[in-house]
Amino acid sequence: DQQVKQNSPSLSVQEGRISILNCDYTNSMFDYFLWYKKYPAEGPTFLISISSIKDKNEDGRFTVFLNKSAKHLSLHIVPSQPGDSAVYFCAASGDSGYSTLTFGKGTMLLVSP
Amino acid sequence: KAGVTQTPRYLIKTRGQQVTLSCSPISGHRSVSWYQQTPGQGLQFLFEYFSETQRNKGNFPGRFSGRQFSNSRSEMNVSTLELGDSALYLCASRGDSQETQYFGPGTRLLVL
Repeated sequence: DQQVKQNSPSLSVQEGRISILNCDYTNSMFDYFLWYKKYPAEGPTFLISISSIKDKNEDGRFTVFLNKSAKHLSLHIVPSQPGDSAVYFCAASGDSGYSTLTFGKGTMLLVSP
Repeated sequence: KAGVTQTPRYLIKTRGQQVTLSCSPISGHRSVSWYQQTPGQGLQFLFEYFSETQRNKGNFPGRFSGRQFSNSRSEMNVSTLELGDSALYLCASRGDSQETQYFGPGTRLLVL
């Protein structure tokens, strides 16, 4: 049973527009959520995170929103750039410590010029 | 600070052999976790080491094992390799009292 779900396998956006990537989770013990960006055959690169005590966290063009009651989080990228094209993974931790991440399957983002 | 490093980057083995992968965490990080990425299963947690002790373990068979040294460097070993073990193996480290894990570039293992 998938505890972290990214229901959109892919997303296409035009350069300059907003990209919104979504993630749902089922385990209410998760209290820390992260987004990673990944290129093929490379390790995930940390982008941004959010603790369950917050509902929003911003870092430059990246904003993560957390809706605990809906067990839903989203990553907003504004404005989107072609260099943002990659696979984005949502991950959650806290149920077994912060060194045990549960990942979603990823969403491939393609930003076209 | 240097990031997480993993060696080797690529490896080809045959069924039945064993393999050892190495990971050096970010300086000062004592927690090292290992993950397997495959097209079918995605990114899955293997195990975590902290101060030379295995602290958490994922749902993988006993053929997968690991260890950590006093300098926090970690190795993982897979014995009796199967075709299905072909994957990208990722190592991540985390600092004490921090929640974020930082990943290395991975080791791509191909089992023939």
